[in-house]
Formats: sequence, C-alpha cells, structure tokens
Amino acid sequence: EDQVTQSPEALRLQEGESSSLNCSYTVSGLRGLFWYRQDPGKGPEFLFTLYSAGEEKEKERLKATLTKKESFLHITAPKPEDSATYLCAVHARSNDYKLSFGAGTTVTVRA
Amino acid sequence: SAVISQKPSRDICQRGTSLTIQCQVDSQVTMMFWYRQQPGQSLTLIATANQGSEATYESGFVIDKFPISRPNLTFSTLTVSNMSPEDSSIYLCSVLENTEAFFGQGTRLTVV
Repeated sequence: EDQVTQSPEALRLQEGESSSLNCSYTVSGLRGLFWYRQDPGKGPEFLFTLYSAGEEKEKERLKATLTKKESFLHITAPKPEDSATYLCAVHARSNDYKLSFGAGTTVTVRA
Repeated sequence: SAVISQKPSRDICQRGTSLTIQCQVDSQVTMMFWYRQQPGQSLTLIATANQGSEATYESGFVIDKFPISRPNLTFSTLTVSNMSPEDSSIYLCSVLENTEAFFGQGTRLTVV
C-alpha cells in the first residue's frame, strides 16, 4: 500500500527564516509527486509536480526537490502570506488515477 | 489549468437529511473525483465519477451513502445521504488534467 508521511506536523517561522518541509513516500513505482498549498476553508492549490529523482522546481520563494524516497519543499525567506498547510501527494504507477495524500504540514510565518 | 466551481461552499444540515454538492468544470474532462477531508486530517478519495457509467467507490464508501451523478463531461454531483455528525467534513471535487490534479474550493459541511 502506498504511504506518504509528512514532517513536521507544524512549523512556526519568523519572517525571513528559511526552512524545509519533508515528504517521505513508499510507492510501487512513482508516477508523480505533487505539492499543494491549502488555505483554511479552501481547496488545495496546485504548486508542483515532480516526476523523477533529482528533479527540482521553483516558484517564487518555494523550491521542491525529489529523491527516490522523499521530497523537500524549501521555503526561502518566508513572508506571512506563505502561512498555509502544505500537502504532499503521490501518484503510483499501479494506480491509473488515485493520489495518496500525506497529512500535511501547517506553516505559520510571523511578521 | 481547469477551473472548478463547487456549490454550495458551505452548509449546516440537520442529521438524517441529505445534501447534494455540485461540481462544474470549465472544460471537458474524462475523470472527476470526490474527496473528503475530515477536520484536521488529509484528503481521502471517496469515488471516481465516470461519465456514462456508475461511479467507482473506494473501500469504506458505498453508493447508498454517497450517490454520485455524472451526466456529462463537465458536471458531477455528490450527495451525502442520511447525514450524521460524523459526516461533517470538507468535500472536494477534483479533476485530472494530463498528470496533474486540480481541486475545487470545497464544500464545508456541518451536520448538527
């Protein structure tokens, strides 16, 4: 069974204090790994898809990286508007369509 | 990316009643999905809504409790039937575009 574990559960940062979120996964062949941002009371907002180990993608202050066992979401010099829950999901080759989600990391950035 | 509209955005319902949630996509998509997100937890797939055939339900979810319609390639509904407080959750509609999944804004359901 596919498993996705995110750590830490919660992260409190000072504005400008860079940090990383971890997503460890176990799947029978990775088709893709996804990062989403979710604000309270809203649906997940797509951020990145990573397909193979060594791949990196960036968007503003966010950078996602992928290895064969885990992915990191790096937040560089965060601002209060980066406060949200960040979700990781994997799409396994054994599934045509099903995504398995981690529990998320809730990031709070204080001004 | 696909734009997904869900209605209602939130509702408070009496136990024993049913609520139908609508999902409209701005483009034709083959597969639409319904997820549940219970308070403080991550997303769990309820079912896949297939156009022209019955929905495919995940383990732990049944058609009598969560009937789904998919009348065309841009629209789907999820009904939460005979509700109990345990059904209080956010319900999310999703579509798969190429290999990327996009979500609606969700319906926050509270059952009292």
